[in-house]
Amino acid sequence: GESVGLHLPTLSVQEGDNSIINCAYSNSASDYFIWYKQESGKGPQFIIDIRSNMDKRQGQRVTVLLNKTVKHLSLQIAATQPGDSAVYFCAEAYAGGTSYGKLTFGQGTILTVHP
Amino acid sequence: EAQVTQNPRYLITVTGKKLTVTCSQNMNHEYMSWYRQDPGLGLRQIYYSMNVEVTDKGDVPEGYKVSRKEKRNFPLILESPSPNQTSLYFCASSLSVGDTEAFFGQGTRLTVV
Repeated sequence: GESVGLHLPTLSVQEGDNSIINCAYSNSASDYFIWYKQESGKGPQFIIDIRSNMDKRQGQRVTVLLNKTVKHLSLQIAATQPGDSAVYFCAEAYAGGTSYGKLTFGQGTILTVHP
Repeated sequence: EAQVTQNPRYLITVTGKKLTVTCSQNMNHEYMSWYRQDPGLGLRQIYYSMNVEVTDKGDVPEGYKVSRKEKRNFPLILESPSPNQTSLYFCASSLSVGDTEAFFGQGTRLTVV
């Protein structure tokens, strides 16, 4: 598959365990924070987003937590499956201004799920 | 099937030979953009388009051109490719500007020798 990063943070878990992927951001002015998943040889795929005025949002098997005090974002995946193995990116977006519409991506974390 | 289609998937070319990477989406999305992905640098936006005939520079536009003559197509043009443009390129579209759910193409692996 395509190589998308060198020396990225890695997380290895056993199938069925819960996974927590972390992301530190620097821009307090972002309006949205988003998680994308990129499988080998594919483009990024949207997972879930959270508005900056929220601290938690849940989706199907995923939960995103936002801690604005320490500028930290996390993605929790429940009952991780081998199909969850991928590179996970956090991204920031604005609801207006000169950067309206632009996604700014973090470096990514490699998640490996062992059967 | 709703999708973003890029062509070609793989391309090896020589320095200075003009090339175009095509991008087409069938979802009637207004917003389209191009990113390049490099090891250790993540995805960086090259150009974006909010609608037909409206394009603007992203973070790394040098050496690239785009056009948006039709809503569905957003080609990326490298007039005189150089080796530092060797990268993995992604086209993305979203329903409207500010929509956080972007749909990405499969990627184009470009090598400039």
